[in-house]
Amino acid sequence: SQQGEEDPQALSIQEGENATMNCSYKTSINNLQWYRQNSGRGLVHLILIRSNEREKHSGRLRVTLDTSKKSSSLLITASRAADTASYFCATDAGSYQKVTFGTGTKLQVIP
Amino acid sequence: SAVISQKPSRDICQRGTSLTIQCQVDSQVTMMFWYRQQPGQSLTLIATANQGSEATYESGFVIDKFPISRPNLTFSTLTVSNMSPEDSSIYLCSVGGRGINTGELFFGEGSRLTVL
Repeated sequence: SQQGEEDPQALSIQEGENATMNCSYKTSINNLQWYRQNSGRGLVHLILIRSNEREKHSGRLRVTLDTSKKSSSLLITASRAADTASYFCATDAGSYQKVTFGTGTKLQVIP
Repeated sequence: SAVISQKPSRDICQRGTSLTIQCQVDSQVTMMFWYRQQPGQSLTLIATANQGSEATYESGFVIDKFPISRPNLTFSTLTVSNMSPEDSSIYLCSVGGRGINTGELFFGEGSRLTVL
């Protein structure tokens, strides 16, 4: 079964607004990552947060991790039409290279 | 980072045929991973391709259906055998990152297969 469940499944916002996506997982993790996928193409790594970290920033991205609730959120600020994509969280639980992907959030940013 | 080239990028195949997908990495890597993404779904790991040894398959995937080759540290192939419409998916090759970002994966652009 999938380790990560994402919420919402789909999100539609206006350009300039912020987008928040949530990810919940079931078992203990070492790292949690977020990836972007444009229209059925390859995935692009966005950010990795370790289990001992609570928040991380990268440009317009902000990721939080709450290990007590087994959840993470990805915030994209000042969204752009180019942010339109599917976003996946992924967890790994001790195995360096094996990650388990969540169900994904489909984000549409309307110009 | 790693640059990964996959081909074909897409193909339309007939039921019962087999197709081999190639994955080329611009640097030597120990492990390469093959994923399947069914339409509208998330990614599922098919197998880990190890150089010099047999691939390690995940539950639900078998070598007869998805034979994998790994002849060197920069190249791997995945064959989808005896295809049926249920095999219509995007197949993705990936490798792990190095350095401080352990766990990060780099992906090829994927191979979108449609089986008629």
